Amino acid sequence: AQSVAQPEDQVNVAEGNPLTVKCTYSVSGNPYLFWYVQYPNRGLQFLLKYITGDNLVKGSYGFEAEFNKSQTSFHLKKPSALVSDSALYFCASMNTGFQKLVFGTGTRLLVSP
Amino acid sequence: ETGVTQSPTHLIKTRGQQVTLRCSSQSGHNTVSWYQQALGQGPQFIFQYYREEENGRGNFPPRFSGLQFPNYSSELNVNALELDDSALYLCASSWDAGGSTDTQYFGPGTRLTVL
Repeated sequence: AQSVAQPEDQVNVAEGNPLTVKCTYSVSGNPYLFWYVQYPNRGLQFLLKYITGDNLVKGSYGFEAEFNKSQTSFHLKKPSALVSDSALYFCASMNTGFQKLVFGTGTRLLVSP
Repeated sequence: ETGVTQSPTHLIKTRGQQVTLRCSSQSGHNTVSWYQQALGQGPQFIFQYYREEENGRGNFPPRFSGLQFPNYSSELNVNALELDDSALYLCASSWDAGGSTDTQYFGPGTRLTVL
């Protein structure tokens, strides 16, 4: 069975500083991994995905994620945080051949001015 | 290009009632997935529809059912509502070309409150 873990309930960072939101996965076979962001009272917005290829994936709004097979991690990163990045971030995995997303519990990012 | 839309935005029902939630998929997409997001939790997969047929189901009872129409829009029906059904219901659409793994794009959700 596939699963995704987000070990931090909340991450606090000052505006302008780099941010990292952690995600580890347990997936049989090749992992398909995603990051979504959710703003209050809104649905999920797609940020980026890893299917295959380069371990560093670039996505929307300046976000990127690094796939690390040996550590089974897929951490979300941004070089310089904005206050407007404050939101709930979800990591998710998908089985090959069946489009069902399995989500982590989410990490709340709080960027202070 | 039109994104995923859902209706209604909010809904209040009482225990035992039935509810229907609607979703219009993004243009060019042929697959619709439904998720339940309880307060403070990540979304949980309910089921997926492809070519008007259920294409997989999560750990939800049969009182959760769905439909997909020829235009790829979809409905989620929940019978005999329980208090624990209170949640944000999310619809996501994607393109399935047969075994491919495409990105799912989500609608804004329907907030269901069961009293």
